[in-house]
Amino acid sequence: GQNIDQPTEMTATEGAIVQINCTYQTSGFNGLFWYQQHAGEAPTFLSYNVLDGLEEKGRFSSFLSRSKGYSYLLLKELQMKDSASYLCAVSDSNYQLIWGAGTKLIIKP
Amino acid sequence: GAVVSQHPSRVICKSGTSVKIECRSLDFQATTMFWYRQFPKQSLMLMATSNEGSKATYEQGVEKDKFLINHASLTLSTLTVTSAHPEDSSFYICSAAPSGRDPDTQYFGPGTRLTVL
Repeated sequence: GQNIDQPTEMTATEGAIVQINCTYQTSGFNGLFWYQQHAGEAPTFLSYNVLDGLEEKGRFSSFLSRSKGYSYLLLKELQMKDSASYLCAVSDSNYQLIWGAGTKLIIKP
Repeated sequence: GAVVSQHPSRVICKSGTSVKIECRSLDFQATTMFWYRQFPKQSLMLMATSNEGSKATYEQGVEKDKFLINHASLTLSTLTVTSAHPEDSSFYICSAAPSGRDPDTQYFGPGTRLTVL
């Protein structure tokens, strides 16, 4: 079967760095997405990786290793507003999205 | 657990026809389901919130007469795109919030690719 695994919840301190991991097993691969979702709001697109390596976008970076079926989202200089759920989703061979259950990130002062 | 399915996974239709997309929560009940549209730059736009047994709540700018939503049971919501036009071609994604749990928890479906010719 297809599945995506990511931690249920993580806690970090304001100003620090946190890495949210995502491992996947899917039938085919056409890219991996990271979304941020604040409570009561629609998910906001953060990144899309289809090739191996690290993509940096301001305070957020996303890494992909296709051979390992692994990705992580790195958040630097954490701010209180970064408290949210972070969703990992993989586009499979049929361009269907396989979603992780989301990681709830709690930022403490 | 917490699986959400969508049917069909992809559909091609002629301009002017109507298309129905189903969203099902397979192993849980969902009082609330959400319908999103994914745009080419990967952003997700919330179209409407569907509540079982009541009318859907549409986001500003979404035509409720064009995008008909029915949430007839705790495990099924349908989105019907009426009189579809090429500009309605998109990737439609639903999500479901399990009843009785944290209302901010949503489980997403795999999406439906609609192509209108």
